[in-house]
Amino acid sequence: QTVVTQEPSLTVSPGGTVTLTCASSTGAVTSGHYVNWFQQKPGQAPRSLIYHITNKHSWTPARFSGSLLGGKAALTLSGVQPEDEADYYCLLYFSHTWVYGGGTKLTVL
Amino acid sequence: QVQLVQSGIEVKTPGASVKVSCKASGYPFTNFGISWVRQAPGQGLEWMGWINSHSGHTNYAQNFQGRVTVTTDTSTSTAYMELRSLRSDDTALYYCARDWDYSFDFWGQGTLVAVSS
Repeated sequence: QTVVTQEPSLTVSPGGTVTLTCASSTGAVTSGHYVNWFQQKPGQAPRSLIYHITNKHSWTPARFSGSLLGGKAALTLSGVQPEDEADYYCLLYFSHTWVYGGGTKLTVL
Repeated sequence: QVQLVQSGIEVKTPGASVKVSCKASGYPFTNFGISWVRQAPGQGLEWMGWINSHSGHTNYAQNFQGRVTVTTDTSTSTAYMELRSLRSDDTALYYCARDWDYSFDFWGQGTLVAVSS
């Protein structure tokens, strides 16, 4: 059973920068995993932020960026805003199936 | 604009089946796939399965193999997810999402399925 691992929680100050990571139990995360990142706020459906590791949707704020970092997928928030407080999930593709990470609860304090 | 509108709350007893619908609008339905994702109370997201809305080809997560079926009705631009042999731990919010080029760009509002005796 493939496991995708994220930091359970992170805290960042307003205006600061934070990087969330996403690791695969099968080895290094690559372009073949078609990495997606989602944001979810309480009581809301998830919202897609990043796809294919680095690609943004038209609605994705510029302060969000995706990358590969040391064998993991990474989501970096630069100039964090209070409204960025949310749960963040990565999603990786494994040969016709998808596996979500456990999610990172981001606190802006 | 793209919209995915899901059916309403379902309350089921253990062992029963549930079928959740997801009506799409604002885009050519058969040009995109639909994935189903669930979220148990206070828990993370779990991918369940996917359908190619044009061909009807499906892929399912191993955890749900044999218990879930995803279908589409192209005449009404509606996708369906049926889950059988329900257990209490199937209580969750079930979401549909449009699958475009290995991304899930638009989501339904979610359907609560509660399983209780």
